[in-house]
Amino acid sequence: AQTVTQSQPEMSVQEAETVTLSCTYDTSESDYYLFWYKQPPSRQMILVIRQEAYKQQNATENRFSVNFQKAAKSFSLKISDSQLGDAAMYFCAYRTDNTGNQFYFGTGTSLTVIP
Amino acid sequence: KAGVTQTPRYLIKTRGQQVTLSCSPISGHRSVSWYQQTPGQGLQFLFEYFSETQRNKGNFPGRFSGRQFSNSRSEMNVSTLELGDSALYLCASSPLGRARNEQFFGPGTRLTVL
Repeated sequence: AQTVTQSQPEMSVQEAETVTLSCTYDTSESDYYLFWYKQPPSRQMILVIRQEAYKQQNATENRFSVNFQKAAKSFSLKISDSQLGDAAMYFCAYRTDNTGNQFYFGTGTSLTVIP
Repeated sequence: KAGVTQTPRYLIKTRGQQVTLSCSPISGHRSVSWYQQTPGQGLQFLFEYFSETQRNKGNFPGRFSGRQFSNSRSEMNVSTLELGDSALYLCASSPLGRARNEQFFGPGTRLTVL
């Protein structure tokens, strides 16, 4: 069974500093996709970054990058130069075409940015 | 394009009642998924509809049901409400529902069961 684990319920970071959010997953599939979604307080969930499992290169989107370790089944999110607007709940998610396209989400990490 | 919309945004019901939530996907998107979000549990997958057919279903009791119309709009229904059904219900749409596709989320419907 696919599971996604986020072991850090809460994290905080000083503005302009770097923070890393952890995510591990369990799967027997070889072809899948990993996502980080951001849910600001009382606002809609939006996609931050996506990683295809077949790609060795880590995905990067501006200040957001991932450290994808396929063998270790680890998918961490690094936020550089943290901004106040980065404060949100972050969810790690896994998806594969082989399980009916269902998303499996972690329980989330609440990120606080300290001015 | 307009984003995913959900109505109503807030609902208060009492135990035993039933409720219907509505979701309008982004124009052209044929896949609609529903999730239940509760503190500590994260997002739990309810079901996915594609071209009016339920393609996948999560591990929820039969009190939770849904449907999709020909215009891709979707509804979910919860019958015989229980206190534990209080949650944020999120709808998400994607063009084809393939794993590589980004899912676009709506703002959610906050259901409170008293």
